[in-house]
Amino acid sequence: EDQVTQSPEALRLQEGESSSLNCSYTVSGLRGLFWYRQDPGKGPEFLFTLYSAGEEKEKERLKATLTKKESFLHITAPKPEDSATYLCSGGGSNYKLTFGKGTLLTVNP
Amino acid sequence: NAGVTQTPKFQVLKTGQSMTLQCAQDMNHNSMYWYRQDPGMGLRLIYYSASEGTTDKGEVPNGYNVSRLNKREFSLRLESAAPSQTSVYFCASSDSEAQYFGPGTRLTVL
Repeated sequence: EDQVTQSPEALRLQEGESSSLNCSYTVSGLRGLFWYRQDPGKGPEFLFTLYSAGEEKEKERLKATLTKKESFLHITAPKPEDSATYLCSGGGSNYKLTFGKGTLLTVNP
Repeated sequence: NAGVTQTPKFQVLKTGQSMTLQCAQDMNHNSMYWYRQDPGMGLRLIYYSASEGTTDKGEVPNGYNVSRLNKREFSLRLESAAPSQTSVYFCASSDSEAQYFGPGTRLTVL
C-alpha cells in the first residue's frame, strides 16, 4: 500500500528563520512527487513536481528536493505570508495521488 | 480561465437527504478526481475519472456515486447522507504534470 508521511505535523518559525519540512514516501512505481500549499478555507495550490532522485525545484523562498525515499521542502528566510499547510503527495503508476497529512507552518513576524 | 469550479460552497443536509456536488474545469484536462478532507485524515480519494466515459473507485467510495457528464464536468452524488459524510469535498483535474484543485464544498450532515 502506498504511504506518504510528513513531519513535523506543525512548525512555528520566526520571520527569517530558515527550516525544512520532510516528506517520506513509499509509492509503487513513483511517477512524481508533488508539493502543494493550502491556506485555511481554500483548496490546495500546486507548487512543484519532482520526478527523479537528485532533482531540485525553486520558487521564491521555497526549494524542493527529492531522494529515493524522501523529499524536503526548504524554506529560506520565511515571511508571515508563507504561513500555510504544506502537503506532499506521491503519484503512482495508476495516476492516483497519495497525500500526507500535511505540515502546518506558522511564521511569526 | 476559471480553472476548477465547484458548487455549492456550503451545504447543510439532514440525515437521509440526497444531494449532488458539481465540478467543472476549463483546462481541457482528461482526468478528474473527488476527494474529501477531514481533520487528522488528510485528503482521501473518493472516485476518479481517468478520461471521459470512465470512472473508478478510490480509497473511500462507499456512500457516493459519480457521473462524468462530459470532459468538463464531474459530479459527486450522496444518495442518503449520513453524519459521517460531514467533510470538506474537493474536486481536482489533472494534466500529466499535476492535479489542480477547486475551492471546495463544506458539507455538514445533521
